[in-house]
This record gives sequence, structure tokens and C-alpha cells, in this order.
Amino acid sequence: DAGVTQSPTHLIKTRGQHVTLRCSPISGHKSVSWYQQVLGQGPQFIFQYYEKEERGRGNFPDRFSARQFPNYSSELNVNALLLGDSALYLCASRRDTANTGELFFGEGSRLTVL
Amino acid sequence: SQQGEEDPQALSIQEGENATMNCSYKTSINNLQWYRQNSGRGLVHLILIRSNEREKHSGRLRVTLDTSKKSSSLLITASRAADTASYFCATDEKYKLSFGAGTTVTVRA
Repeated sequence: DAGVTQSPTHLIKTRGQHVTLRCSPISGHKSVSWYQQVLGQGPQFIFQYYEKEERGRGNFPDRFSARQFPNYSSELNVNALLLGDSALYLCASRRDTANTGELFFGEGSRLTVL
Repeated sequence: SQQGEEDPQALSIQEGENATMNCSYKTSINNLQWYRQNSGRGLVHLILIRSNEREKHSGRLRVTLDTSKKSSSLLITASRAADTASYFCATDEKYKLSFGAGTTVTVRA
């Protein structure tokens, strides 16, 4: 079975632009989460979606938004990009519905903002 | 803010030696997990230990949990070059994992 897939793998944007990152969870996984990992730090939680509904949101500005589609894939959108948004954006899916257990991560989308 | 804090920040060992890293956290937990990340790629789940467990093994990995001290340790025995990576502890909080800053382990041949 395919793992969590993310696209694009790398992208470069300039300040003020908008970016959309995409994620397909493992088949059968209904929960998708997004994390931001700045160089040298651990991942920081951005969003969790389950059954197309937002179940949790981290401490990120409203410039960050996400959604989950009927096929459980997800998009993360970031508007008005800042230099500080440069990071590895990780998508993760989870099998169980109790919000416990291991997360399965994709390889990430590395965003560089110039 | 991050829930878990790993110690040390970096560790360099010879192939065949053991590597030990520690994690401290702040609030009560349901479980604690350890993940590995190779050179800025995705994270890979290593092991999960529940709050009512004190020790768990998986292959060359041994994890301990002391809820009274709010701490956990990860031991990698007989290290290999392929163990070179960053290791993160994470506490499970309702709908998210809270990660520490990680320990970078370098295994020298």
C-alpha cells in the first residue's frame, strides 16, 4: 500500500504570494494532520481534520487554512507568505478514530520563501 | 511551546556503541511516542509507550517511562551507521502530537 504522499516536494515562493500544499493519506485513514517544521526544531502542529471537519488548530495565524475532501485528501493553504514561513510542511494520517496511536508521515513539502 | 524536551541536543558515538537520549515533558499524558527523522525527510514512528507502562522493547530499541518524573528515555543498542538521524519524543494530546526539539545522533563507522 502507498504511504502518505505529499506534493510538491520542493517549492520556492516570494513574500506576499500564496501557496497550496497537497496530501493524500494512507488508504483507510480518515484523519489528516499538518505540521510545520522549521530547521533545527521539532514539528509544530497546525491542523487536524477528521471526516472533513477541523478537529484541532495550532497556534498559527489566519493566513493558514486547510480543508479535507470527501476522499480524505487534504490541502494546506498559506496566504501572504512571510520569510518565516520557510519550513518543511509535513502531512500525517492516522488510522484510528480515537485520536491516539502512531502518526504516519509523508516526506514533506519544503517551502522556501524569498 | 513544545511539550517534550530532548537531552542531549546532539550525540556522536562509534558504531556498535549504545545511544541513550532522554525526554522530559510537562503535563500528564496518555502515551508517549518516539520518532526518527533522516536528514529533513518525513518522520518514522519507532515506538509508543502508554502511561501505565514502564518499559517497552522493539528490536534494538528500549524505551522507559517514568510518569512521576515526567520523563522518558530511548536506548538504541549496538548502533549502526543507518541509525544516524534525529530522534524526537512526542506526547499525544487529544488531537495532536507535541514534539520536542529532538536529539541528533551521529554514528561513526
